[in-house]
Amino acid sequence: KQEVTQIPAALSVPEGENLVLNCSFTDSAIYNLQWFRQDPGKGLTSLLLIQSSQREQTSGRLNASLDKSSGRSTLYIAASQPGDSATYLCAVRPPESNYQLIWGAGTKLIIKP
Amino acid sequence: NAGVTQTPKFQVLKTGQSMTLQCAQDMNHEYMSWYRQDPGMGLRLIHYSVGAGITDQGEVPNGYNVSRSTTEDFPLRLLSAAPSQTSVYFCASSYSGAGGTDTQYFGPGTRLTVL
Repeated sequence: KQEVTQIPAALSVPEGENLVLNCSFTDSAIYNLQWFRQDPGKGLTSLLLIQSSQREQTSGRLNASLDKSSGRSTLYIAASQPGDSATYLCAVRPPESNYQLIWGAGTKLIIKP
Repeated sequence: NAGVTQTPKFQVLKTGQSMTLQCAQDMNHEYMSWYRQDPGMGLRLIHYSVGAGITDQGEVPNGYNVSRSTTEDFPLRLLSAAPSQTSVYFCASSYSGAGGTDTQYFGPGTRLTVL
């Protein structure tokens, strides 16, 4: 059974630092992996989607990498800002499912001004 | 477009009460789903629908019913609320083209407490 883990559960860093969030999954057979952002009282917003054949995706200051063989993905945030404070979740889509995503519990990120 | 809307935002129920969480989308998406989010756990799929009149169970369907009479609406019914159903509930929608379900749009959530 696919399991997705995000460690640490919470992270606090000073503004301006570059940082890396981690996501690991137990079964390397995935269709794709996504990173989402969740703000308090709001829904989730998709940040980056990496197909199983890709190694990384970039959007602005965000870069997500995927290493299927080791069951790991990282979300790199460059030059962090207080507005980046949120909970970041990763989710994998199994190849046999068109609809179900398997989610990690998230990393709560706090950027200190 | 309003996107995905959910009502209510907050709800407190007593054990045994029933209620319906409302979800609506105005993007003409075929695929809609309900998730619950509990502390320290990832989102878990409750039920989903691939179009009007078609629903199916997700990972944790027990204690919940759904129906999909229109493309826009996908209500979630709690039949007899239990404290274990205390959670934050999210509704999501997406189009169902190739890779479409990967781009899911989420509502703001309903925080439910069952006493």
